[in-house]
Amino acid sequence: QQQVKQSPQSLIVQKGGIPIINCAYENTAFDYFPWYQQFPGKGPALLIAIRPDVSEKKEGRFTISFNKSAKQFSLHIMDSQPGDSATYFCAASFPGTYKYIFGTGTRLKVLA
Amino acid sequence: ETGVTQSPTHLIKTRGQQVTLRCSSQSGHNTVSWYQQALGQGPQFIFQYYREEENGRGNFPPRFSGLQFPNYSSELNVNALELDDSALYLCASSLVRAGGQETQYFGPGTRLLVL
Repeated sequence: QQQVKQSPQSLIVQKGGIPIINCAYENTAFDYFPWYQQFPGKGPALLIAIRPDVSEKKEGRFTISFNKSAKQFSLHIMDSQPGDSATYFCAASFPGTYKYIFGTGTRLKVLA
Repeated sequence: ETGVTQSPTHLIKTRGQQVTLRCSSQSGHNTVSWYQQALGQGPQFIFQYYREEENGRGNFPPRFSGLQFPNYSSELNVNALELDDSALYLCASSLVRAGGQETQYFGPGTRLLVL
């Protein structure tokens, strides 16, 4: 019930494509859903985050779509660039617990 | 850059030894969380410290312990190291207010190798 399932495990797109990474959760008590980007040898960096009362959020080329009834959320990267090649993690947290539960990660490669 | 720093960047220890990892929080943040990230996996929550006290713990044994200091810097101590403790250890700082916690910002991590 505390798991966050992430797919796909890896993804290859051409430059300019729109990779989509999906996450699903079981526990409806989660109230905060951030996405992090991680380059090799670096710590995760926050990309964008959403709460369940919003169905979509955009920040630059990154968009989160949130489907509360399906208990799913996804990250879309518009006009992807080779510099977006990294591992992406979704996460979820319960109100007041401050613990992030991470998905298993998606390794994205954007071809030039 | 998040303003969260960690030291050392890399560390090699042998099984049974003890290790201390350090984290300096982002200015203005009062909470620090520690995560373990095994190769190819997502970070796993170890524990969090708020106002120098442990404020939640993940599924890690007592040989993982921590401290938070008045300046909000923090240490992670691991005793009796095991081979499976080899991982990237991440700290994340955040600000806890009355309305809840704001986003956690991660440091670059310490890569620990246990031989």
